[in-house]
Amino acid sequence: ETGVTQTPRHLVMGMTNKKSLKCEQHLGHNAMYWYKQSAKKPLELMFVYNFKEQTENNSVPSRFSPECPNSSHLFLHLHTLQPEDSALYLCASSQASSRDYEQYFGPGTRLTVT
Amino acid sequence: GNSVTQMEGPVTLSEEAFLTINCTYTATGYPSLFWYVQYPGEGLQLLLKATKADDKGSNKGFEATYRKETTSFHLEKGSVQVSDSAVYFCALSDSNTNAGKSTFGDGTTLTVKP
Repeated sequence: ETGVTQTPRHLVMGMTNKKSLKCEQHLGHNAMYWYKQSAKKPLELMFVYNFKEQTENNSVPSRFSPECPNSSHLFLHLHTLQPEDSALYLCASSQASSRDYEQYFGPGTRLTVT
Repeated sequence: GNSVTQMEGPVTLSEEAFLTINCTYTATGYPSLFWYVQYPGEGLQLLLKATKADDKGSNKGFEATYRKETTSFHLEKGSVQVSDSAVYFCALSDSNTNAGKSTFGDGTTLTVKP
């Protein structure tokens, strides 16, 4: 049990669909992250939220829209995706106040865009 | 900027062999260093960490020593098991960047054969 949960674990969607990924952390952390992990490619940081405020957006296409309503919940809203967006989407959390703290990851959502 | 370079994989070993996965880093401040492991179908989880020079992190028979003079944090294990088959990521967190945010290496896939 990592303390970070993600739903759904698997998602298949067409290019015209709209769906959302959900992440919840039960660790009392104040920073949350979305990563994309594609086969044979490095881990890509997408978004960073500190204290519910977005502090980083790494040139992510607008078809990915994050939302952080509070420090425990993070969403990734998806619309009009492309097949190349198929990947494992990982959520993570940490304490934003210290470099010594590791990140805690959820199990990921395996997304397939058809 | 910060960067992490780790040994390219895949690495294939026989059970009970000695493991080394090299990791070197570049950082502007005084980073903390981490090794994460990702088992098939799961998210990343912390394996070990070191927060200052000459510290040794250890867990489950794995060790890594923070070497400031060579900017390295190599992962070692004296006798690997089939259950160690996974992807290993070296990472750093720097006090000069968004605290809590980490920079990850590309990952090294380890396969241990019986």
